[in-house]
Amino acid sequence: SNELTQPPSVSVSPGQTARISCSGVNLGDKFVCWYQQKPGQSPVLVIYEDNKRPSGIPERFSGANSGNTATLTISGTQTMDEADYHCQAWDSNTAWVFGGGTKLTVL
Amino acid sequence: EVQLAQSGAEVRKPGESLKISCNGSGYSFSTSWIGWVRQMPGKGLEWMGIIYPDDSDIKYSPSFQGHVTISADKSISTAYLQWTSLKPSDTAMYYCALLGEQQNFDYWGQGTLVTVSS
Repeated sequence: SNELTQPPSVSVSPGQTARISCSGVNLGDKFVCWYQQKPGQSPVLVIYEDNKRPSGIPERFSGANSGNTATLTISGTQTMDEADYHCQAWDSNTAWVFGGGTKLTVL
Repeated sequence: EVQLAQSGAEVRKPGESLKISCNGSGYSFSTSWIGWVRQMPGKGLEWMGIIYPDDSDIKYSPSFQGHVTISADKSISTAYLQWTSLKPSDTAMYYCALLGEQQNFDYWGQGTLVTVSS
């Protein structure tokens, strides 16, 4: 299967840790990246190669990928982190695939 | 600075044709893959296809093959996405995005909103 499954929504209190999952068959064998998308804006890459942060992305964003699940973790979540988060993976058979997206609410 | 500048919002009737564009600057346009991504209202991202402008090598998602055409003109650093016969279900935001070395999309255009309605 080439599907990536994310929970539709995740809620977290300010200052707490948010975890967003992305599941797929043997996902741990692929590189996973994560995009943040705020309302009315284009997606922004926040994690690539499972756990690397592009320049300018805060250290509170981290990633992990093993088995069938990748996880985006936001430590010390801030109100500015409220957004939709999309996972994405690639392999030679299915090419580029996105998850359905997760709405993170910080309240 | 890498920039992907997309053409403006479009409104079309069902059955009409449309071609939207994405102009790249600040990097080597010809030797970088550019992808197209659809986002229907209130929904997630969907990869549509990708092009390597230097030789126009194109890969389509099976979900979009035959429904859209991707092309590029490297002389003006511009990629295109076109439809010959739009449907109301084509109403969406369309993004172009620059592919990075590890198969992630490093930079995104601002999006082009396409509305198809009679």
